[in-house]
Amino acid sequence: NAGVTQTPKFQVLKTGQSMTLQCAQDMNHEYMSWYRQDPGMGLRLIHYSVGAGITDQGEVPNGYNVSRSTTEDFPLRLLSAAPSQTSVYFCASRKGQGTFNTIYFGEGSWLTVV
Amino acid sequence: AQSVTQPDIHITVSEGASLELRCNYSYGATPYLFWYVQSPGQGLQLLLKYFSGDTLVQGIKGFEAEFKRSQSSFNLRKPSVHWSDAAEYFCAVGPYTGGFKTIFGAGTRLFVKA
Repeated sequence: NAGVTQTPKFQVLKTGQSMTLQCAQDMNHEYMSWYRQDPGMGLRLIHYSVGAGITDQGEVPNGYNVSRSTTEDFPLRLLSAAPSQTSVYFCASRKGQGTFNTIYFGEGSWLTVV
Repeated sequence: AQSVTQPDIHITVSEGASLELRCNYSYGATPYLFWYVQSPGQGLQLLLKYFSGDTLVQGIKGFEAEFKRSQSSFNLRKPSVHWSDAAEYFCAVGPYTGGFKTIFGAGTRLFVKA
């Protein structure tokens, strides 16, 4: 099972550039989300989706866009990269909204903005 | 405000020694509680979870956690640590539904010395 797949694993961007982090899951999970992980701050929710065509903002959405055209894919777009967006990004999925359902994480995408 | 506190940024234990990682939470309703582990370069993996019932919860890899309502704590324990347990550990809390509202602590990095 592939689970949750993120690409790219590493990326260096210049300030002002745009890019898309790809995320795909093959578990037919309704709920998908993006987190960023920064030292000493744990994981913070950027955007999430409860199904195809439905997205909403999390705790730190500024500077990021998402879309959910299919159940499988949930790309994260950086519109104009800033050094403050240097972070590790994790895509995650879960079956349904129930908190007790296990969250499955991708392996992470390391992004550096210079 | 809802929050999760992991007081120890890092902990070092000798291989074979016992381990306890602390987690305190502040949450208005009865929470779901989780512990996740993140190995270097990997995504997060669920170790165990708790909602109700027996306050001592068993997880994978020999870990257990004890819920203490009076102390708002959910500490993670392991009787004998192995070198492969070196990783970062995250405590998390969330509501019954609306799983996207799961809040993660800042993490505790575990170092294991021979």
